[in-house]
Amino acid sequence: KNQVEQSPQSLIILEGKNCTLQCNYTVSPFSNLRWYKQDTGRGPVSLTIMTFSENTKSNGRYTATLDADTKQSSLHITASQLSDSASYICVVRRGGYNKLIFGAGTRLAVHP
Amino acid sequence: GAVVSQHPSRVICKSGTSVKIECRSLDFQATTMFWYRQFPKKSLMLMATSNEGSKATYEQGVEKDKFLINHASLTLSTLTVTSAQPEDSSFYICSASGRGAGGDLAGGTYEQYFGPGTRLTVT
Repeated sequence: KNQVEQSPQSLIILEGKNCTLQCNYTVSPFSNLRWYKQDTGRGPVSLTIMTFSENTKSNGRYTATLDADTKQSSLHITASQLSDSASYICVVRRGGYNKLIFGAGTRLAVHP
Repeated sequence: GAVVSQHPSRVICKSGTSVKIECRSLDFQATTMFWYRQFPKKSLMLMATSNEGSKATYEQGVEKDKFLINHASLTLSTLTVTSAQPEDSSFYICSASGRGAGGDLAGGTYEQYFGPGTRLTVT
């Protein structure tokens, strides 16, 4: 069954600290994996996209990793800011299909 | 590039009325548009997929007579919630994919770009 699972479900960290969010998937065939940031009441905004051959990709303070062998990805946030408070969604696209498979998201709260 | 807009951003309507939500691709031709629904603290749920000039394909459990989707042009899709009820209150998000958005993938498919969402409240 094609699924995307994220952990933790929610996370609270202090401003300035780092954190890592996890994503495991059982999607086949694999096309690409995206991490999205979704602020409350807004649409998802893409942070990174990785294909099968990419192991890591950065976007400012966000660094995503992908292990296609173990079907795991992580999103590392460095030096967190209050504005990082949002839901982070891992999304996998099946090869040759238009539909996306969404994880349930991790709700991150950054406190001062 | 690859900007998708939605209008309105928020709408409040009375039970029994119909409300239309627009989704536009501003700088590319969207051959396919997707409509999602999102409940509080939940992830996006795909409602339907529409290809320009064709009837929409609805996901299992989505009432096609209640959620009317029209994709009459390459830049515009509309979702009409008919006879809206309080349980239809939700956050509706569209996405669009197509040639010219810079997201060409293997197999002739394209990346999806999401709109900002529409908050519907039915009283």
